Amino acid sequence: EAGVTQFPSHSVIEKGQTVTLRCDPISGHDNLYWYRRVMGKEIKFLLHFVKESKQDESGMPNNRFLAERTGGTYSTLKVQPAELEDSGVYFCASSPDHYEQYFGPGTRLTVT
Amino acid sequence: GQNIDQPTEMTATEGAIVQINCTYQTSGFNGLFWYQQHAGEAPTFLSYNVLDGLEEKGRFSSFLSRSKGYSYLLLKELQMKDSASYLCAPGSPDRGKLIFGQGTELSVKP
Repeated sequence: EAGVTQFPSHSVIEKGQTVTLRCDPISGHDNLYWYRRVMGKEIKFLLHFVKESKQDESGMPNNRFLAERTGGTYSTLKVQPAELEDSGVYFCASSPDHYEQYFGPGTRLTVT
Repeated sequence: GQNIDQPTEMTATEGAIVQINCTYQTSGFNGLFWYQQHAGEAPTFLSYNVLDGLEEKGRFSSFLSRSKGYSYLLLKELQMKDSASYLCAPGSPDRGKLIFGQGTELSVKP
């Protein structure tokens, strides 16, 4: 069974540019989560989809971040415009229930 | 709010036993998870406790006391590959999001 995949693995962009991160969850997992780890800090929750609906987006830092999950399959997280403080590792996780979450390898985003 | 406290670093010897403690204060609670994260990799699930007591799973065990807001992860027969960050994460009652602590960086020495 394929795990959670994320693309790209690394992204380096300039401040003000736009970046879109993609997450493909494990097939059949209705729950999809986005998390972020900023350098030196703990992993923080961003938002949670159940199928295509946003269940909880309380962790989204501001309106420069937009997450979508059209069709309830893969999800994208767009940052527009990117700021320096957005640099970090963005993890996606999926789960068939509210128990074990399976994490992807993460996308390392560097904003210069 | 959430407040999770675990040691930043620990060192142990191959073959030994190590206990990683975690205390937490959360506005809600839906079980406590432990995850392992090797450098540059994704966190992987280790254990889940929702009731008080000890859950054993091979070389790893996890304990929970809800009244004390306390959990520990016990690793036995340490191997070099156990060198990693161990993340304590109370589950939110809000449908499953995880609230992570800073993690404990465990170094296993020969």
